[in-house]
Amino acid sequence: GAGVSQTPSNKVTEKGKYVELRCDPISGHTALYWYRQSLGQGPEFLIYFQGTGAADDSGLPNDRFFAVRPEGSVSTLKIQRTERGDSAVYLCASSLGTGQSNSPLHFGNGTRLTVT
Amino acid sequence: GENVEQHPSTLSVQEGDSAVIKCTYSDSASNYFPWYKQELGKGPQLIIDIRSNVGEKKDQRIAVTLNKTAKHFSLHITETQPEDSAVYFCAAILMDSSYKLIFGSGTRLLVRP
Repeated sequence: GAGVSQTPSNKVTEKGKYVELRCDPISGHTALYWYRQSLGQGPEFLIYFQGTGAADDSGLPNDRFFAVRPEGSVSTLKIQRTERGDSAVYLCASSLGTGQSNSPLHFGNGTRLTVT
Repeated sequence: GENVEQHPSTLSVQEGDSAVIKCTYSDSASNYFPWYKQELGKGPQLIIDIRSNVGEKKDQRIAVTLNKTAKHFSLHITETQPEDSAVYFCAAILMDSSYKLIFGSGTRLLVRP
């Protein structure tokens, strides 16, 4: 079946611009996660949704970052006033429910964001 | 909080040989340890996982071992093939109480034909 879909696959933007990154989770998955992966590093947690609500946004680096999931399915990660340090691969994952009980995370292929 | 360290950062083996990647974790409460394989331009893909109530798990050429006392867990790949070449990540989590997978820094495995 269809996996987690992320668009765009690549995004190049100028410093100071606003960007939106989209994630379509696997159908029926109630939990959705955003991670950020810098070059040569493992993914780092940003935010977690259970349904429509952000259950934990403690990984967001600052208030320029915001994410929504208005209908409990598609999610959008929004970055305002982008900085060069925001350049990374942004990964979205989904799972059947909370925690990891019999519901491992399934990752999308990510959006590579480059801020020039 | 949890911290996961992974070694080696790069590993080169001859096709057919075995590869071993090791991780240590800091939080003794962590009880779920997945391993992910990431190919160039793709997201991490779960290849095997282990829970703290077992010491070893096998799936064909892949096995994972866990030493809870030492807080070590390892990935073993036997009879390596060129298509095993990728970056491998270990991770740790307190299952059912957390959703923040903590990843290691990754091991780039190269299998030479």
